[in-house]
Amino acid sequence: EDQVTQSPEALRLQEGESSSLNCSYTVSGLRGLFWYRQDPGKGPEFLFTLYSAGEEKEKERLKATLTKKESFLHITAPKPEDSATYLCAVQALNSGAGSYQLTFGKGTKLSVIP
Amino acid sequence: DTEVTQTPKHLVMGMTNKKSLKCEQHMGHRAMYWYKQKAKKPPELMFVYSYEKLSINESVPSRFSPECPNSSLLNLHLHALQPEDSALYLCASSQGGENTEAFFGQGTRLTVV
Repeated sequence: EDQVTQSPEALRLQEGESSSLNCSYTVSGLRGLFWYRQDPGKGPEFLFTLYSAGEEKEKERLKATLTKKESFLHITAPKPEDSATYLCAVQALNSGAGSYQLTFGKGTKLSVIP
Repeated sequence: DTEVTQTPKHLVMGMTNKKSLKCEQHMGHRAMYWYKQKAKKPPELMFVYSYEKLSINESVPSRFSPECPNSSLLNLHLHALQPEDSALYLCASSQGGENTEAFFGQGTRLTVV
């Protein structure tokens, strides 16, 4: 069974204090790993897709990296507006249905204190 | 444009009501999804439509009935729901095939009373 585990569950940072969020996964036939940001009561906002080990992508203060077993979301000098829940999802083949689907982790709730 | 539009934003319904949730995208995506999300939990997949055909139904009770009238529209028909069905219902779309880079709508907050 495909599994996605995110850590920590919650993270409080002072503004400007850099840190990393972790997403570890076990999946058969990984096709891609996705990072989303979700604000309370809103739909997830797409951030990054990573397809192969060693790949890195950046967007403003965020940088995502991928290894064969895990992904990291690095947050550099965070601001209060970066406060949100960050979700990791893996894409794998549902062989029974013959189509691909996402399996989400439980997320990391990030709070950035001014 | 990476917009997925869901209506209504909020819905309160009684257990004997029939209502529908609507989702629309104009990105030319050929896969559309319904997810259910409870508070402080990740989204859970309910249904997947691929090229307007239902390809995944994750053992969802029959009181939830999906419909894909065309490649841009996705509906979720609700009937005889239970209070535990109250949740945020999210629609998403992706290009389809091996590309499941999914874009989500803002969701419908459903309360069953």
